[in-house]
Order: sequence, then C-alpha cells, then structure tokens
Amino acid sequence: QKEVEQNSGPLSVPEGAIASLNCTYSDRGSQSFFWYRQYSGKSPELIMFIYSNGDKEDGRFTAQLNKASQYVSLLIRDSQPSDSATYLCAVYSSASKIIFGSGTRLSIRP
Amino acid sequence: DAMVIQNPRYQVTQFGKPVTLSCSQTLNHNVMYWYQQKSSQAPKLLFHYYDKDFNNEADTPDNFQSRRPNTSFCFLDIRSPGLGDAAMYLCATSREGRGNTEAFFGQGTRLTVV
Repeated sequence: QKEVEQNSGPLSVPEGAIASLNCTYSDRGSQSFFWYRQYSGKSPELIMFIYSNGDKEDGRFTAQLNKASQYVSLLIRDSQPSDSATYLCAVYSSASKIIFGSGTRLSIRP
Repeated sequence: DAMVIQNPRYQVTQFGKPVTLSCSQTLNHNVMYWYQQKSSQAPKLLFHYYDKDFNNEADTPDNFQSRRPNTSFCFLDIRSPGLGDAAMYLCATSREGRGNTEAFFGQGTRLTVV
C-alpha cells in the first residue's frame, strides 16, 4: 500500500463548477496534510494545509480532513482555466518527513 | 522575496561526472529535504535533515549524498550521474512543530545528463 494515494486523473471539470480532489494516507500518526499545485515544469506551490479534523476554507479553496477515515480532500469552487494543473497531496508523517502522493491532473474546460 | 533558493536552476552534466546542487534558506527552518521528481511523477524523498541528523530513505541510491554544513545550506552530491538521474531536484524546508508543519519549496534544479 502506498503511503499517500491519489487518483491520477485527468479530472475534467467545466469552468465555474466545483472540482473535488481526494487523497488517502496510511500512516495513522500523520500530523499535517497539504495540498500543492504544480504547473508543468515548475516546483510545487502550497495551496492549503490542514491539521485538525473538519473543514478549512481559504478563498475558493476548502480542505477537508477526516483522520478517522485517513482521508483528506480539496474542493475548488468556481473553477477557472488557471486552476488546470497537477494537485499533489502531501502528508507530514509520524517519521517527521513529508511524503507526496502521485498527484491528480485537473483540467478546467471553458 | 525568495525564501528557499536553489542553484543552479538548470544543470547539464556529463555521464559519470560528479555534480553538486545547492539549496539555501532564509527561514531558519530546522528541517531540510531533497526530493527527486521525474516527469509526471510525484516528488520522491531522497533524504532529509532534522537539524544535523541525516535521514536517508531506504531506496535512495548510494550515488546520492548530501551535506548540511549549517542551518541555512544544504547540498546534494551525485557522485556518478547516470542517464536515469535526469530529473527535477527539489529542496524544501519546514519547521518542526506538532500539527502545524508546512513545507516551502525552492524553484528546483532541472538536471540533464548527457
């Protein structure tokens, strides 16, 4: 079992709709959870991080964490073409290291 | 202002010729990471420093070494680069703290092996 799992996509969403990205992790002792956006050829850019169960909202982005289910998600409201990128889920594990999922490619169609 | 700086942004090296990539940070973070990212793949953790303590991933090849002479700088040495080592190398830093640790990345160094 991979430590951090994501659906690779591509996920295609119409402009203006909600994009929903999901991630599961195996280390129950993980403390913090991150969503990074990565454009082709660029380094990852932090979008959101969350460490408490529940929802965390920042503008059009909402991160959701359920530690009992070992599940974290990212919702993007009012999707824009500029949101088209690969979204990486990352977990700060109990071993004090940050592990990435393989990423989900998101495509926003006009 | 850039907080995690990687040099160079692009590096071309010859097959088998040692190469060093550098990373510096102005955040005074105690944890520094080196990741390797190949096209369309997730960043793969090579090793990380927790303060001066070096932590090597089990599947990191011996060809890869690292040095951290002080809090601000960290180096990745590839002793004998092969064609399969061509990738983007990402440096990241974080501040250890329960429940609220986030990582900041540099711009990456794209390594080409010829």
